[in-house]
Amino acid sequence: GAVVSQHPSWVICKSGTSVKIECRSLDFQATTMFWYRQFPKQSLMLMATSNEGSKATYEQGVEKDKFLINHASLTLSTLTVTSAHPEDSSFYICSASTTAGGLNEQYFGPGTRLTVT
Amino acid sequence: AQSVTQLGSHVSVSEGALVLLRCNYSSSVPPYLFWYVQYPNQGLQLLLKYTTGATLVKGINGFEAEFKKSETSFHLTKPSAHMSDAAEYFCAVTPYGNNRLAFGKGNQVVVIP
Repeated sequence: GAVVSQHPSWVICKSGTSVKIECRSLDFQATTMFWYRQFPKQSLMLMATSNEGSKATYEQGVEKDKFLINHASLTLSTLTVTSAHPEDSSFYICSASTTAGGLNEQYFGPGTRLTVT
Repeated sequence: AQSVTQLGSHVSVSEGALVLLRCNYSSSVPPYLFWYVQYPNQGLQLLLKYTTGATLVKGINGFEAEFKKSETSFHLTKPSAHMSDAAEYFCAVTPYGNNRLAFGKGNQVVVIP
């Protein structure tokens, strides 16, 4: 149980284009989803937190117009990188959280490798 | 705000030897503590977690960690390293009542045959 998927697993796009990454909770309803960014050989940096039906809460320094997050349902959140540039190349990981069981444990997706050329 | 310190980005251990990864945290409120493992190009898998109760926590793959409030530590250990333990390990903290995780910088574990 508690499986989170991401699609695509990797994507290459040209500079200036936009790319959408999907995060789905497959066997549970996620009250909250999180988006992280991970640079090579570094830790995860929280980008934003989203609750179903609400606007995402972005961490300081994260451009909300650059990284659009939509949490349309309790099983799907999307991250759109708009007007991508090479510096946006990174490993993006989502996680989903449920209040079932008391602790809001996060379940992580397998990540999406974005390369902007 | 909470934070996590993991020293030594790369840790080499011989197969069969003790694995010890250190994690110290700071938190203004009682913390929940986690250890995650990440294999190349994959997401994070939960190894173990401390919420309340018993301070010695056992996880998957033979790992365990002990919460020591007086030392603000949550070190991860495994008595005998296996080749399959080669991976990146992250310690994370979230304060009670909050589910925003703060991660340490991670330890890359290399197991030497």
